[in-house]
Amino acid sequence: DAKTTQPPSMDCAEGRAANLPCNHSTISGNEYVYWYRQIHSQGPQYIIHGLKNNETNEMASLIITEDRKSSTLILPHATLRDTAVYYCIVRVDSGSQGNLIFGKGTKLSVKP
Amino acid sequence: NAGVMQNPRHLVRRRGQEARLRCSPMKGHSHVYWYRQLPEEGLKFMVYLQKENIIDESGMPKERFSAEFPKEGPSILRIQQVVRGDSAAYFCASSPLLQGRDTEAFFGQGTRLTVV
Repeated sequence: DAKTTQPPSMDCAEGRAANLPCNHSTISGNEYVYWYRQIHSQGPQYIIHGLKNNETNEMASLIITEDRKSSTLILPHATLRDTAVYYCIVRVDSGSQGNLIFGKGTKLSVKP
Repeated sequence: NAGVMQNPRHLVRRRGQEARLRCSPMKGHSHVYWYRQLPEEGLKFMVYLQKENIIDESGMPKERFSAEFPKEGPSILRIQQVVRGDSAAYFCASSPLLQGRDTEAFFGQGTRLTVV
């Protein structure tokens, strides 16, 4: 079973920030938080990952709470092309991607 | 720099036939992973391979399924004597080996297997 909990669906207006929450209350000290997304019928796409500190890249920002029991993925200016299922995954840093445990994710619908 | 290439994109097989799914990892990547996605469900890990070695096959069904990643050529996921329940999207991912640093996985576009 996935070690994360996400809302099944969310809506966001185009141009607005999309804030996707994830609970991972049983996360261990050496586990990272990863986010992937899957646009309809395509392969999953890596977005961002972090351990303790907040992270930002060209796609998104990742905010991790101080106790690391939850995190939020932020898409600062959502577009229609951001409509996808977003997966929050926790895993140990093992030097390479291995067994990713995908839950059901959050289906984000960006509306015009 | 081509991404992870999977072929065929769509495959139709009759019950009892064999299905062969191919995956060419990104250039320079030595790790390959196969996932299965049943209709309306999330992705499930099947197997993790390095060149000529199976590292983790904990998600592979015990019968009819096999995977290989030979020294030369693509990784192959083989399903023998397919049944209707094997109908799914099969995704391959690859990653490089970077000692001491975690890396992301790059996914292909998948092969959609339909068993009729």
